Amino acid sequence: EVHLLESGGGLVQPGGSLRLSCAASGFTFNRYAMTWVRQAPGKGLEWVSGVSGDGRSTWYADSVKGRFTISRDSFRNTLYLQMNTLRADDTAVYYCAKDLSAGGASQNWGQGTLVTVSS
Amino acid sequence: IQLTQSPSSLSASVGDRVTITCRASQGITYFLAWYQQKPGKAPKLLISGASTLQSGVPSRFSGSGSGTDFTLTISSLQPDDFAAYYCQQLDTFPLTFGGGTKVEI
Repeated sequence: EVHLLESGGGLVQPGGSLRLSCAASGFTFNRYAMTWVRQAPGKGLEWVSGVSGDGRSTWYADSVKGRFTISRDSFRNTLYLQMNTLRADDTAVYYCAKDLSAGGASQNWGQGTLVTVSS
Repeated sequence: IQLTQSPSSLSASVGDRVTITCRASQGITYFLAWYQQKPGKAPKLLISGASTLQSGVPSRFSGSGSGTDFTLTISSLQPDDFAAYYCQQLDTFPLTFGGGTKVEI
């Protein structure tokens, strides 16, 4: 059974940094693209970033490009999202997801981790 | 690519046929997915490739369309279906979601 567990969320001041982790199990991690999606309180879903199975290709939403970095560690079966220069509008629940294929739909999701950017 | 969902919300009764539309700002062939999300929960993938039902998803859900216009249909609304629904285009990075449709009693 696929299991995704996010961690690393919390309260951070504007301009600060945070690294989210997503521990994956139940599938061959390096065979699947992975994605981060966020949802601001009371708002809709926003695709944030994606990475190919081998980690060589990455993609970003315009709203986070240059500030966020997605990466993966196939030895630890873990997906990461390094978030720098955080802003109030980055406040959201961040979900990691396993994709059907690179650029494909997100088939399995974690429970999410809340990031709050506030002074 | 922008996705416009309509309506943004709707009220319906158990047994009703419900249709949600998603329009893309440019052609995306059939690279569209539909998700269901209940309050406080992660989204659940219902349909990929515009019309391919995911394993375990009830057959009352169906998707259709190609190019710029897509539809999610629930043939007979059940109590478990009251939720928010989102479309997502998978044609071009950055991937994008529609604004969502909340289906209420």
